[in-house]
Amino acid sequence: AQSVAQPEDQVNVAEGNPLTVKCTYSVSGNPYLFWYVQYPNRGLQFLLKYITGDNLVKGSYGFEAEFNKSQTSFHLKKPSALVSDSALYFCAVRDIGNYGQNFVFGPGTRLSVLP
Amino acid sequence: ETGVTQTPRHLVMGMTNKKSLKCEQHLGHNAMYWYKQSAKKPLELMFVYSLEERVENNSVPSRFSPECPNSSHLFLHLHTLQPEDSALYLCASSQVGTGNYNEQFFGPGTRLTVL
Repeated sequence: AQSVAQPEDQVNVAEGNPLTVKCTYSVSGNPYLFWYVQYPNRGLQFLLKYITGDNLVKGSYGFEAEFNKSQTSFHLKKPSALVSDSALYFCAVRDIGNYGQNFVFGPGTRLSVLP
Repeated sequence: ETGVTQTPRHLVMGMTNKKSLKCEQHLGHNAMYWYKQSAKKPLELMFVYSLEERVENNSVPSRFSPECPNSSHLFLHLHTLQPEDSALYLCASSQVGTGNYNEQFFGPGTRLTVL
């Protein structure tokens, strides 16, 4: 079965410093990977996805993610964190179940950017 | 927020009440989803509709009853709920089809409290 893990419940980083939110995956076949962000009392917002091609994927709000097949990882990164980036971040993988369009989400990582 | 609206945003109900959650997508998508988000737990996929046909039902108790009258609207009918059903209920939509690897778009959610 497809699965994703986010090994850190919480990540703290100072404003202006680079940030990394980690995600590892386990899939059968090709991985189709996604990152979402959730602000308080809001739904999830799509940030970026990896389907194929360049291992470095650029997304919304200055975020990017690096796909690493040998390490089965898809870490989310940003060169300079903003206080407004503080939120809950979810990694997801496309499921290949009966329908093949479902997502399996990780447990989430709470990012706190300190001023 | 992103073309997916949910009403009501907040709902408090007793265990003997009957209520319905409504979701509407304005993106022209052909698949819609219900998720449950509880504190300290990963997102749980509840139901999937594709082309108005239910294609997934992840062992959800019968006190939750989905309805998809057309590709733009999705309902979740609730009756005789339990306090442990209190959670954020998220609706999402996407465009699905052979070879598509599209992201899901989420609504803002309905915060449900069962007393």
